[in-house]
Amino acid sequence: NAGVTQTPKFQVLKTGQSMTLQCAQDMNHEYMSWYRQDPGMGLRLIHYSVGAGITDQGEVPNGYNVSRSTTEDFPLRLLSAAPSQTSVYFCASSSRGVPQHFGDGTRLSIL
Amino acid sequence: AQKITQTQPGMFVQEKEAVTLDCTYDTSDQSYGLFWYKQPSSGEMIFLIYQGSYDEQNATEGRYSLNFQKARKSANLVISASQLGDSAMYFCAMRVGSARQLTFGSGTQLTVLP
Repeated sequence: NAGVTQTPKFQVLKTGQSMTLQCAQDMNHEYMSWYRQDPGMGLRLIHYSVGAGITDQGEVPNGYNVSRSTTEDFPLRLLSAAPSQTSVYFCASSSRGVPQHFGDGTRLSIL
Repeated sequence: AQKITQTQPGMFVQEKEAVTLDCTYDTSDQSYGLFWYKQPSSGEMIFLIYQGSYDEQNATEGRYSLNFQKARKSANLVISASQLGDSAMYFCAMRVGSARQLTFGSGTQLTVLP
């Protein structure tokens, strides 16, 4: 009964470092997405994927890369971390007719 | 472009009373869906209720109902018989056409008072 699993739950990085946020779902959903949530704001879409091998940009894609080699996994890569990327990151998945299921989030701090 | 507006940054309600959280939306698409999510202090996003633009009846899910007024472009969430566990941030979100992406409002922090 895992649903959407995000790792790590917390991470502190130094400016300029790179890292990958992991997201996996076990519901065979074709659609997956990454959002960021900044204080006092709603979630904003970073990147999304409608199936393995297909990705596209959302509202705030700069500084992030994604890939979708399998249905289950959708990692988010920070290429060169900046303090402006300090945020809570949510991964979500859905299928036709199914509302988005969210992971528990990753709290990321960039020093 | 689509937009969701939640004009109430914070709301207070007495336990066992009903409360309405406001949401207005803007889109030129005729086909869209409206969602409400709850985010407790623990941080997870919990799906509450969904309304499609072509649904003729207002959606209901237990104590949650969605007051959908298409002409006014509003999709207010009504929580009946509030409980202390309802204290959380509530987000309204919209999906347009066949797209799966959600556009979120800025949220309303609801506090239920004993």
